[in-house]
Amino acid sequence: KQEVTQIPAALSVPEGENLVLNCSFTDSAIYNLQWFRQDPGKGLTSLLLIQSSQREQTSGRLNASLDKSSGRSTLYIAASQPGDSATYLCAVKGGSYIPTFGRGTSLIVHP
Amino acid sequence: NAGVMQNPRHLVRRRGQEARLRCSPMKGHSHVYWYRQLPEEGLKFMVYLQKENIIDESGMPKERFSAEFPKEGPSILRIQQVVRGDSAAYFCASSPFPGHENTEAFFGQGTRLTVV
Repeated sequence: KQEVTQIPAALSVPEGENLVLNCSFTDSAIYNLQWFRQDPGKGLTSLLLIQSSQREQTSGRLNASLDKSSGRSTLYIAASQPGDSATYLCAVKGGSYIPTFGRGTSLIVHP
Repeated sequence: NAGVMQNPRHLVRRRGQEARLRCSPMKGHSHVYWYRQLPEEGLKFMVYLQKENIIDESGMPKERFSAEFPKEGPSILRIQQVVRGDSAAYFCASSPFPGHENTEAFFGQGTRLTVV
């Protein structure tokens, strides 16, 4: 059974810092990994999808990497802004076709 | 192409009543997932459906909960005789055939169920 762990559980940083959020998973036989953002009381917004055959994906200030063999992914946020404050979730999809989520990293970026 | 639509957005039920949560997938998507999220927790998988079929319901409680995805119309998650512990946010996601590495899951805004 796939298990997904996200570290740290919470993070509070001043504006402008570069951040690294971590996601690890136990079964490396995956199709892809998605990073999502969730604002309080809202739904999930997809940020990046990394396919199993890819090493990284970039979108604006976000860069996500995938090391399938070691069961790890990182989400790098450059030059953080208060508007980046949210919970970040990673989800791994394997042979069951069911995305499995970590518990998320709650990020606060203060001015 | 509208996104995944869930309704209602908020639902209040008294203990013992039934709750019906609806999910209309994105156009062209025939695979639907339901998740439950408790406060300060991640998303817990409940059930995975394809049109007219339940593929995996391993995360759904055996009693009081049921789900369907008919040939026509939205997917429905039904909770009978609700209890306070059912209070949570319920999210639906849809995708085209998920067996490709470039297939992305898209989520709705959720239904927040409160049992009083």
